[in-house]
Amino acid sequence: EAQVTQNPRYLITVTGKKLTVTCSQNMNHEYMSWYRQDPGLGLRQIYYSMNVEVTDKGDVPEGYKVSRKEKRNFPLILESPSPNQTSLYFCASSVTGGVVEQYFGPGTRLTVT
Amino acid sequence: KNEVEQSPQNLTAQEGEFITINCSYSVGISALHWLQQHPGGGIVSLFMLSSGKKKHGRLIATINIQEKHSSLHITASHPRDSAVYICAVLGYGGATNKLIFGTGTLLAVQP
Repeated sequence: EAQVTQNPRYLITVTGKKLTVTCSQNMNHEYMSWYRQDPGLGLRQIYYSMNVEVTDKGDVPEGYKVSRKEKRNFPLILESPSPNQTSLYFCASSVTGGVVEQYFGPGTRLTVT
Repeated sequence: KNEVEQSPQNLTAQEGEFITINCSYSVGISALHWLQQHPGGGIVSLFMLSSGKKKHGRLIATINIQEKHSSLHITASHPRDSAVYICAVLGYGGATNKLIFGTGTLLAVQP
C-alpha cells in the first residue's frame, strides 16, 4: 500500500530534550516536506526536500533540522525543543513538488512542557 | 492579510444540500490544491488545479486565474463529508515548491 508513515504519532517531552520524528514514504517520491499545524494559523511549511541531499527552508524553519540521506526518509529533528514547538506535525511527499498531488502522513502530535 | 483566504470559516449544512467553499489568493500561482482533513486529523488531497474545472464524484473544483479565486462544491452533501477543507496555493518564482495554505473551512453536515 502506497503510504507516508510518521513515528511517533504522539509524543510528550520536556524542554531541551532532543527528539526526532521520522517520516518514510514507499512511493519513490522525490519531494518531501514537513509542516506544522496550529489553531488559527493553518499549515505552515518547515522544510522541504527536492531530492536526496537537497533540502531548503520553508516559512518556519527556526528550531528545526532535517536531513535527506535516503530517498524514502526525511526525519525532522528538534535539537532543543521549546513549548512553542507544541503542535501537530505532518510529513508529505509527492512525485516532483507542489504541482502534483500531495500525500500526507497521519500526523504527529507533539507536546513540549 | 493572509495570502490565502477561505470563506466561510465555519459552515453547517443539512444532508442533501449543495455546498460551496471559497478560496481567494493574492499571489500569482502555478497550482492550487484542495485538501480534506478528517476529524481524526489525516489529510487527503482532493484536487490539484491550474485552470478550469475538475470533478470527482460529488465534488467539483473550479478556478478562475484572472480573479484569483477557486471554489469547491459538494453536491448532495452527506454527514461523512464533515471535515475541514483546506485550500493551498503554489506560487511562482523562487519558492515554486512552497505551498501556502488557507486556515481551512470547518464543514458540518447534519443528518
